[in-house]
Amino acid sequence: GAGVSQTPSNKVTEKGKYVELRCDPISGHTALYWYRQSLGQGPEFLIYFQGTGAADDSGLPNDRFFAVRPEGSVSTLKIQRTERGDSAVYLCASSSTGQGTGEQYFGPGTRLTVT
Amino acid sequence: AQTVTQSQPEMSVQEAETVTLSCTYDTSESDYYLFWYKQPPSRQMILVIRQEAYKQQNATENRFSVNFQKAAKSFSLKISDSQLGDAAMYFCAYRSGGSQGNLIFGKGTKLSVKP
Repeated sequence: GAGVSQTPSNKVTEKGKYVELRCDPISGHTALYWYRQSLGQGPEFLIYFQGTGAADDSGLPNDRFFAVRPEGSVSTLKIQRTERGDSAVYLCASSSTGQGTGEQYFGPGTRLTVT
Repeated sequence: AQTVTQSQPEMSVQEAETVTLSCTYDTSESDYYLFWYKQPPSRQMILVIRQEAYKQQNATENRFSVNFQKAAKSFSLKISDSQLGDAAMYFCAYRSGGSQGNLIFGKGTKLSVKP
């Protein structure tokens, strides 16, 4: 079956603009995660969904970042008033369970560049 | 808070030889899981191997094995019979055994394989 997909693959935007990044998880996976990977760093956790609800949003850096998952499948990460420091690869992962060794399957990421 | 440290930014190995990537972590939890992920230039994170902290036996997956030293909080990855396709970034990751399922990653080690 299809893996996790993310669109767009690359996004270039101007400082101050609004962007939306989309994640399509593996069908049937209830857990969905967003991570941000800055250049030369490992991914950093942003937010975790279990079903439709955000079970943990402690990784969101500030109130410019928001994510939704209204029907428990597709998720959208929204960034308002983008800043150059928001430039990074945004990774999405899904899992059949949010616990234990349940494997997280990652998408190819969206590379966001804020000019 | 839990932390993961990878002290080798870059490593190199000759094709068919063996290489070991180091990882240490810090936690006060007794229930947790450890992972090694591979990230090729395509950006997609791929799970290489996983270890449950309560298991004393080291995990093995074909050419990949780990040396899990719980008391020392060390979790190294050994790649045997290295192949050109093993060249990638390798990330060590920690996951709490609780219901929050996000991964905490190290900064990664870039592995080069020489033909």
